[in-house]
Amino acid sequence: AQKVTQAQTEISVVEKEDVTLDCVYETRDTTYYLFWYKQPPSGELVFLIRRNSFDEQNEISGRYSWNFQKSTSSFNFTITASQVVDSAVYFCALSEAGTASKLTFGTGTRLQVTL
Amino acid sequence: GAGVSQSPSNKVTEKGKDVELRCDPISGHTALYWYRQSLGQGLEFLIYFQGNSAPDKSGLPSDRFSAERTGGSVSTLTIQRTQQEDSAVYLCASSLVLTAAKNIQYFGAGTRLSVL
Repeated sequence: AQKVTQAQTEISVVEKEDVTLDCVYETRDTTYYLFWYKQPPSGELVFLIRRNSFDEQNEISGRYSWNFQKSTSSFNFTITASQVVDSAVYFCALSEAGTASKLTFGTGTRLQVTL
Repeated sequence: GAGVSQSPSNKVTEKGKDVELRCDPISGHTALYWYRQSLGQGLEFLIYFQGNSAPDKSGLPSDRFSAERTGGSVSTLTIQRTQQEDSAVYLCASSLVLTAAKNIQYFGAGTRLSVL
């Protein structure tokens, strides 16, 4: 069965610091998909990125970057020069091919960015 | 609307009462999902729809839970004889297609259910 582990429960940083959120996953499938979602205080889960298992190319989008390493089953998320607006709970999730794309979520990491 | 809409945003009910939670997906999205977010269980999958069909109901926590979708659009999650352990945020998501290769789920803001 699939599993997603986010070992960091809560992280506090000062604005402009870089921060990395860790995500480790388990799956027996060779084809799978990894996601990051942001949940601000409003409660809505906001989609950030999706990666498939056969594309290990890292991705950068503005201040956000993602490092996908199959060798360590990790899909880490880095925010560069963090801002107060980045404060939220971040969830890593996994879906496997053939499972109707049901998402298995990690427990989330709460990021607090202060001035 | 532009996004997934859920109503009500908050629902307080007494133990033993029935509740209905509504989800209006993004227009044109064929796949619809229900998840539950609670302190003890985190985010857990409940049920999905492909069109109006729900092939897999195994994620529903008990037979007090049911869901339907009509017209390939609006979905309703019904909880009968609510219990205190049903208290949680119920999240709905929709995706253009079910296929994993093209599936991206967009979530609503959820319904916060409190059972007294």
